[in-house]
Amino acid sequence: AQSVTQLGSHVSVSEGALVLLRCNYSSSVPPYLFWYVQYPNQGLQLLLKYTTGATLVKGINGFEAEFKKSETSFHLTKPSAHMSDAAEYFCAVSDKGRDDKIIFGKGTRLHILP
Amino acid sequence: ETGVTQSPTHLIKTRGQQVTLRCSSQSGHNTVSWYQQALGQGPQFIFQYYREEENGRGNFPPRFSGLQFPNYSSELNVNALELDDSALYLCASSLDSRNYNEQFFGPGTRLTVL
Repeated sequence: AQSVTQLGSHVSVSEGALVLLRCNYSSSVPPYLFWYVQYPNQGLQLLLKYTTGATLVKGINGFEAEFKKSETSFHLTKPSAHMSDAAEYFCAVSDKGRDDKIIFGKGTRLHILP
Repeated sequence: ETGVTQSPTHLIKTRGQQVTLRCSSQSGHNTVSWYQQALGQGPQFIFQYYREEENGRGNFPPRFSGLQFPNYSSELNVNALELDDSALYLCASSLDSRNYNEQFFGPGTRLTVL
């Protein structure tokens, strides 16, 4: 069975500092991996995804993530945090070649300190 | 191009009642997935509909049921509501469930069960 573990339910960083949100996954087949962002009272917006090919994936708003199969990780980073990055972030996994069911982690709330 | 829309935005019901939530897919999409997001948790997959037929189901009881219409819009029905059904219900549409296609999420319906 697939699963996702997000380390840290809350992460605080100073404006301008590096953002690192950690995600580890478990999957019996090659996975698709995703990061979504959710702003208060809104739905989910896809930040980036890994399906095949290059393991370093660039997304919107300056975020990127690296698929590391040996570590079963897909950590999300951004070099310089902005106040507008404050939101809930979800790491997610789905099976390749099957239905599009997505398994989400429990989320990490990112706080940006002025 | 119209995005995914959901109605109503908010809903309050009492225990034991029934509720119907609605979702309009993004133009051209034939697959709809429904997710339940309890407070402080990541979304959990309820089920998916592809061309009007159920195409995968998560670990939810039969009192959670759905429909997809010829125009690919969808309904989620929940019977015999319980307090734990209080959550944000998200629908997501995608182009085709047979191969990976990005899911686009609606803003959600906030259901409160008293």
